[in-house]
Amino acid sequence: DIQMTQSPSSLSASVGDRVTITCRASQSISNYLNWYQQKPGKAPKLLIYAAYSLQSGVPSRFSGSGSGTDFTLTISSLQPEDFASYYCQQSSSAPFTFGPGTKVDIK
Amino acid sequence: QVQLQQSGPGLIKPSQTLSLTCAISGDSVSSDSAAWNWIRQSPSRGLEWLGRTYYRSKWYNDYAVSVKSRITINPDTSKNQFSLQLNSVNPEDSAVYYCARDPGLMVTNRRYYALDVWGQGTTVTVSS
Repeated sequence: DIQMTQSPSSLSASVGDRVTITCRASQSISNYLNWYQQKPGKAPKLLIYAAYSLQSGVPSRFSGSGSGTDFTLTISSLQPEDFASYYCQQSSSAPFTFGPGTKVDIK
Repeated sequence: QVQLQQSGPGLIKPSQTLSLTCAISGDSVSSDSAAWNWIRQSPSRGLEWLGRTYYRSKWYNDYAVSVKSRITINPDTSKNQFSLQLNSVNPEDSAVYYCARDPGLMVTNRRYYALDVWGQGTTVTVSS
């Protein structure tokens, strides 16, 4: 199975901050990488697929980059509704493993 | 608008079989582009993909190795839904279980797996 790691595991930020979350795969996955946002008590929400493609309806302040083993999710200007947990998922091969998550909370 | 509605018990005894159903509206379980998935989430295991079923001229299934000997995912075309069965459960199977759709997103003529619509989640507790 492909293992996914994320850093940091948590971060504190203020509204308006630029936030970057990193995800690393245990082997090359080309651009087969998704990002999800999850709020407490809710199902995850797809933000980015294919490493950089923005899901329909997702604000443009979210962006993804990377290829191979190293990927980044960037929030250009953090908004109050962005305080949540963020997960990466590799979609290169089954089982489609998730990262352990990054919790973004208010500084 | 695609929606997934989950149903099934929230409390189950050890060694029994967990059974959950995911009813689809706005899409078809027999879609030749989508795939239908089960995922679970627990504090100890995080988000864990369990398996999927999909139709490409015939039915296919993929399962996570961690549950492969105990899991069955079945489509029900008459009711446009799919189900999860997990046998011989133990307390480590306690989690929130989600169903989700992979619509078959295309980027530069290449298909990418991603989960764009999720069910509401079912909290399953395995306890005697």
